[in-house]
Amino acid sequence: KNEVEQSPQNLTAQEGEFITINCSYSVGISALHWLQQHPGGGIVSLFMLSSGKKKHGRLIATINIQEKHSSLHITASHPRDSAVYICAVERGGADGLTFGKGTHLIIQP
Amino acid sequence: DGGITQSPKYLFRKEGQNVTLSCEQNLNHDAMYWYRQDPGQGLRLIYYSQIVNDFQKGDIAEGYSVSREKKESFPLTVTSAQKNPTAFYLCASSAGTAGEQYFGPGTRLTVT
Repeated sequence: KNEVEQSPQNLTAQEGEFITINCSYSVGISALHWLQQHPGGGIVSLFMLSSGKKKHGRLIATINIQEKHSSLHITASHPRDSAVYICAVERGGADGLTFGKGTHLIIQP
Repeated sequence: DGGITQSPKYLFRKEGQNVTLSCEQNLNHDAMYWYRQDPGQGLRLIYYSQIVNDFQKGDIAEGYSVSREKKESFPLTVTSAQKNPTAFYLCASSAGTAGEQYFGPGTRLTVT
């Protein structure tokens, strides 16, 4: 079993829909990261969080440490949000991240 | 502009040859990382370095080597001992413990 599990694997939605991507992990962590990867391969960090909730524009990330679960929400989705969204956990000590397999999101106009 | 550069974007090599992938950052970050991405799999950690002249093996270090002689640079050598070297390689850096990671654009290596 992977230490970081994401769901769904693939998600297709219509423009304007509210999107939720889930991430569960099975190890102790110091922080959880949400990343975005576009078709060219480049990765952008969206959020790093260790508790509670963070918001940036139309993106919201939450984490429940007790339940070892995080969600990434996109409000008023747009075709430019189409990308792979990756959850990754940090165990501490700057020794690298452990990644989920990613959620491939397509937003249709 | 501050950031991480990787070169080249695409690299082709014959089986049996060693190849070195470049990673440079001007963010003044102490920690640097190499990850490998294969289709259908999450990124996996190859090597990481928390400080100059020191580095540690990650989850899949076999067949790879690194050096960290300068803070700005963390080159990765894919040796002929790596059984399946064809992959997308990403370099990242962070300011230190529990810091946001910044990723380079990646190098797509094809070995035939």
